[in-house]
Amino acid sequence: AQSVTQPDIHITVSEGASLELRCNYSYGATPYLFWYVQSPGQGLQLLLKYFSGDTLVQGIKGFEAEFKRSQSSFNLRKPSVHWSDAAEYFCAVGDAFGNEKLTFGTGTRLTIIP
Amino acid sequence: DAGVIQSPRHEVTEMGQEVTLRCKPISGHNSLFWYRQTMMRGLELLIYFNNNVPIDDSGMPEDRFSAKMPNASFSTLKIQPSEPRDSAVYFCASSLRSEQYFGPGTRLTVT
Repeated sequence: AQSVTQPDIHITVSEGASLELRCNYSYGATPYLFWYVQSPGQGLQLLLKYFSGDTLVQGIKGFEAEFKRSQSSFNLRKPSVHWSDAAEYFCAVGDAFGNEKLTFGTGTRLTIIP
Repeated sequence: DAGVIQSPRHEVTEMGQEVTLRCKPISGHNSLFWYRQTMMRGLELLIYFNNNVPIDDSGMPEDRFSAKMPNASFSTLKIQPSEPRDSAVYFCASSLRSEQYFGPGTRLTVT
């Protein structure tokens, strides 16, 4: 069965600093990988996705993520965070064989300090 | 595109009452998902449909919960009778090729 681990429950970063959120997955084949963001009181918004090809993927709001098969990781990065990036971030894994169900991690809450 | 539409956005009801949550998926999407989110349990998948057919309902907590998708543009999640522990935010999402798009959610409070 597939699984996702987000080891950091809560991260605090200063505005303007760089950010990296960790995600590790367990899956027997090449996975589909996603990052979602949830602002308070909102639904989850898709930030970026990896299906195949280039292992560095760009998303919305200046985020990027890198798929590393050898480490079973798909970490999310941003070079300079803004106060509006404060939110909950979820990593998710799906399979490439027609089952559209995603397995979500438990989320990482990001706090931005001025 | 209007995105996934959910109604109502907020629902307050008394224990024992029937609650119906509604969802309109994005046109052209062939899968629909119902999730529940609470502080204690996080995001839980309740049920998902593919081409209007329920594929996996293993997350439905108990028989008090039921979901239907009578056509490609509408789904309901019903709780009957409701209990205080059902209080949560319920999200509907639709997808095409595994990219799920979430609605704004329905915040349910059962008193």
